[in-house]
Amino acid sequence: QITLKESGPTLVKPTQTLTLTCTFSGFSLSTSGVGVGWIRQPPGKALEWLALIYWDDDKRYSPSLKSRLTITKDTSKNQVVLTMTNMDPVDTATYYCAHLSIAARAFDYWGQGTLVTVSS
Amino acid sequence: EIVLTQSPATLSLSPGERATLSCRASQSVSSYLAWYQQKPGQAPRLLIYDASNRATGIPARFSGSGSGTDFTLTISSLEPEDFAVYYCQQRSNWQGYTFGQGTKLEIK
Repeated sequence: QITLKESGPTLVKPTQTLTLTCTFSGFSLSTSGVGVGWIRQPPGKALEWLALIYWDDDKRYSPSLKSRLTITKDTSKNQVVLTMTNMDPVDTATYYCAHLSIAARAFDYWGQGTLVTVSS
Repeated sequence: EIVLTQSPATLSLSPGERATLSCRASQSVSSYLAWYQQKPGQAPRLLIYDASNRATGIPARFSGSGSGTDFTLTISSLEPEDFAVYYCQQRSNWQGYTFGQGTKLEIK
């Protein structure tokens, strides 16, 4: 059974760096064809894809946020970490991590999400 | 960056009716399109991948079609639990992934 769970601060100040951790079980990020992505959703708004890391350490970022994002993995801990620099109130959102099925080219398992508020 | 435009923004229908949701891509995405359902307070759930393949456990009343730039999600006969927000999502080799802005399916 695949599960994912996001963790990190619920409140960050403007200009600070956000670090979120996705801890997962039921699969290994060293297995070919696997990826983990981050997606966010501001309150009442649409989903926005942020970043993705593949089993082979290949990485993809949203073009509009690329300069602010870093995604890494720790295969031994079954974790993926997303950092986002220079946080702004418009970055207030629920942040989800999700398992990517390479075969489906889609996110087939999602974490519950974590709400991050950016405010001074 | 590939933009996905969903229509309509809101669709008001009654249980038992047929729902047709549209997703248009700004350039061809081949058949690399997925559909998700999201209910309030919940994470999205994958319904359809590769334009027309139902994900595991998805009822047969959900179907997807299309290729290139125009895609459709059809719910053949609406059940009460189908009223939710639906998102399409595409995958591009070099540009990553993008989501549409969503269609809210509400009870009429």
